[in-house]
Amino acid sequence: KAGVTQTPRYLIKTRGQQVTLSCSPISGHRSVSWYQQTPGQGLQFLFEYFSETQRNKGNFPGRFSGRQFSNSRSEMNVSTLELGDSALYLCASNRGGANEQFFGPGTRLTVL
Amino acid sequence: AQSVTQLGSHVSVSEGALVLLRCNYSSSVPPYLFWYVQYPNQGLQLLLKYTSAATLVKGINGFEAEFKKSETSFHLTKPSAHMSDAAEYFCAVTHDRDDKIIFGKGTRLHILP
Repeated sequence: KAGVTQTPRYLIKTRGQQVTLSCSPISGHRSVSWYQQTPGQGLQFLFEYFSETQRNKGNFPGRFSGRQFSNSRSEMNVSTLELGDSALYLCASNRGGANEQFFGPGTRLTVL
Repeated sequence: AQSVTQLGSHVSVSEGALVLLRCNYSSSVPPYLFWYVQYPNQGLQLLLKYTSAATLVKGINGFEAEFKKSETSFHLTKPSAHMSDAAEYFCAVTHDRDDKIIFGKGTRLHILP
């Protein structure tokens, strides 16, 4: 069974731009969560989608948004990028209610 | 609110020595607890999880963790460290099967030859 895939793996943007990251969960998994990982803050929860609905949300500004499609694939969007948004963005999926998260390799975003 | 504290952002042990990574949690209800490992340039991989079935949980790669409610701890151990264990380890908690999972800041494990 294929694992969680994330595209692109690396991204370089400049301040003020926006970016969209994509995540394809493991087949059959209905829950997709997004995390931001930085050296200073560690892993911070952004949001979780389950069956196309946002089920949980972390403490990030409204510039961070996401959505989930009917095939469970998810996208995350960051608008008006700031230098501090440079991070590894991880996507994780699970069957829903199963807790164990399966992580993708991440997208490394660099904001210049 | 639930939270996780990992003591020590860096831990160094000699190859063959005991590995002990500390995790303390805060949760108002019985928690679900996890340990994940992250190798360089990779996502996180589940090592083991506690879901109230047994207090001593065995995971992959020879790791195990013991849930101690009285100490609100879930420390990760491995009897004999191997060079391949060098990675970053994350403890995580949630109190509900459908709730978000909160991660600790991670502990980077260094193995000395």
